[in-house]
Amino acid sequence: QQPVQSPQAVILREGEDAVINCSSSKALYSVHWYRQKHGEAPVFLMILLKGGEQKGHDKISASFNEKKQQSSLYLTASQLSYSGTYFCGTDNYGQNFVFGPGTRLSVLP
Amino acid sequence: GAGVSQSPRYKVAKRGQDVALRCDPISGHVSLFWYQQALGQGPEFLTYFQNEAQLDKSGLPSDRFFAERPEGSVSTLKIQRTQQEDSAVYLCASSSGGGIGTGELFFGEGSRLTVL
Repeated sequence: QQPVQSPQAVILREGEDAVINCSSSKALYSVHWYRQKHGEAPVFLMILLKGGEQKGHDKISASFNEKKQQSSLYLTASQLSYSGTYFCGTDNYGQNFVFGPGTRLSVLP
Repeated sequence: GAGVSQSPRYKVAKRGQDVALRCDPISGHVSLFWYQQALGQGPEFLTYFQNEAQLDKSGLPSDRFFAERPEGSVSTLKIQRTQQEDSAVYLCASSSGGGIGTGELFFGEGSRLTVL
């Protein structure tokens, strides 16, 4: 089953923060985050494997609450290069690997 | 090659024609996935291979869709008797992890199929 993402779209000014949420109705073993720019392939951002795990690099971080079957992606001090569509991907304990519908992020100067 | 390679990049087919889309994953990658992405949508899971074994094909929309990876490397997605609703970008991804979700997915540029 496909995870749910919110919001569907967000518009920011450069330097502002954003949070993108991902949730699933099924138990999760891992959550991935990818960013896709128009006309390009999705690019890996990070993977979270353990419940309660948090990860980050640069000004992008994420958390994974296994019990709530939720993950959140945090973008701080957004840059123009952050624009794109963000997808969370989840595996349902080895059955398959599915992506959410995406959150379109636009960062304006 | 250094990355996942897909061909053709663009394919225009007349309704009813058969098409074959090729994916050349990163050398040594065990896992291979096919996804279908319609305009403005997220990638929709089609099928998953671990080496040459097709472990999950639950996402294939109909029996017109067939995928294979006979030697555990290159994979081909075949669509028979194409329909207009098959128009989409077909993405291939590979991963070094032997289990689903345990490793980063590397995506190819995709094959854009347009059915007229």
